[in-house]
Amino acid sequence: DGGITQSPKYLFRKEGQNVTLSCEQNLNHDAMYWYRQDPGQGLRLIYYSQIVNDFQKGDIAEGYSVSREKKESFPLTVTSAQKNPTAFYLCASSSRQAENTGELFFGEGSRLTVL
Amino acid sequence: AQRVTQPEKLLSVFKGAPVELKCNYSYSGSPELFWYVQYSRQRLQLLLRHISRESIKGFTADLNKGETSFHLKKPFAQEEDSAMYYCALGGMRSFKTIFGAGTRLFVKA
Repeated sequence: DGGITQSPKYLFRKEGQNVTLSCEQNLNHDAMYWYRQDPGQGLRLIYYSQIVNDFQKGDIAEGYSVSREKKESFPLTVTSAQKNPTAFYLCASSSRQAENTGELFFGEGSRLTVL
Repeated sequence: AQRVTQPEKLLSVFKGAPVELKCNYSYSGSPELFWYVQYSRQRLQLLLRHISRESIKGFTADLNKGETSFHLKKPFAQEEDSAMYYCALGGMRSFKTIFGAGTRLFVKA
């Protein structure tokens, strides 16, 4: 079953703890993305990666970190420096090949609640 | 800077009425514009993109570079069109894609 898998779906953490959200894709896509979805604010780009071992900050990167050691994986760490971490996080991937240019494929999301 | 503006948070129309969801963008290069849709309890998915000039589920969108707009239109709304719609902007040579705040469309019977 091809696609993007995010885990966990729900996560509760205490304030001050770092937490890592997993994102795996088997679509052989080069690019991967992390967005944060808040009511009334839409999707805001946290980080994106065009290729293995390379990534760029999005519009709201502060308090987050990522790695891209494998093409299939793009984990997001929400650090204690993130002031308002409770949110719904979406991972996506895309290919620049042929007719799929630019289309993003999304995971089901991870809801993080910080207590 | 890249920016996408969707001025309406909520749009409510009656079944069979025309619907237009507005999207304006700001981008200095050659834009790629998309509409994504999120139905209840489903993943966010692509609805259409300006490059392909296609009509999906009766929806169309025309890129107007002069007005920097990419409004989504459908002549006759259906109840199953009720969903959250996001306009998105990417660059021709860029992987960076940003989204607007979204418009919730509610089609009443």
